Amino acid sequence: DQQVKQNSPSLSVQEGRISILNCDYTNSMFDYFLWYKKYPAEGPTFLISISSIKDKNEDGRFTVFLNKSAKHLSLHIVPSQPGDSAVYFCALSRDNYGQNFVFGPGTRLSVLP
Amino acid sequence: DVKVTQSSRYLVKRTGEKVFLECVQDMDHENMFWYRQDPGLGLRLIYFSYDVKMKEKGDIPEGYSVSREKKERFSLILESASTNQTSMYLCASSLTSGGKVEQYFGPGTRLTVT
Repeated sequence: DQQVKQNSPSLSVQEGRISILNCDYTNSMFDYFLWYKKYPAEGPTFLISISSIKDKNEDGRFTVFLNKSAKHLSLHIVPSQPGDSAVYFCALSRDNYGQNFVFGPGTRLSVLP
Repeated sequence: DVKVTQSSRYLVKRTGEKVFLECVQDMDHENMFWYRQDPGLGLRLIYFSYDVKMKEKGDIPEGYSVSREKKERFSLILESASTNQTSMYLCASSLTSGGKVEQYFGPGTRLTVT
């Protein structure tokens, strides 16, 4: 039973345009939602998070949107840069303390110059 | 900057060997985690710890144990390594504060069991 889905295994975007990465989940009890970027042979890099009491959080070029009724999370990157090319994971916390995380399978983003 | 370090980047062990993977974080985080990453499966939580000497099973704890004797150090132990434990192992630590959570990863250990 897959609790967290990232339905697009890959995404290609032109440099300077918007990248939108999506994440859907089944359990309405998740409290914290995180996005990570991962380059090959490196650990994931934390990008941005949002708690369940908010619907938007912004940090520079990265904005995370949460639609709790639709159980949908998205990451917007504007403008996209070639250095953003990586695998992006969403991660959801199954408890109130940000301890018990479940990850999506990841989406590979390619930003084309 | 948060720093999470792992004792080895690459490790090759034989079936049946006992394997220790060490992780250290320098930001006084309460929570620490061990994940494994496999192609097509994403990251799966093996164990996590929310305090010294405390541990909780994640999604795939079978064949693994953990130890947290000091706040900054979290060890993953494979009691008797098997070939299906060949994987990338990632350690992380996290802070939850003021309605905000941040989790930081180490560089990973690529373990091969032959």
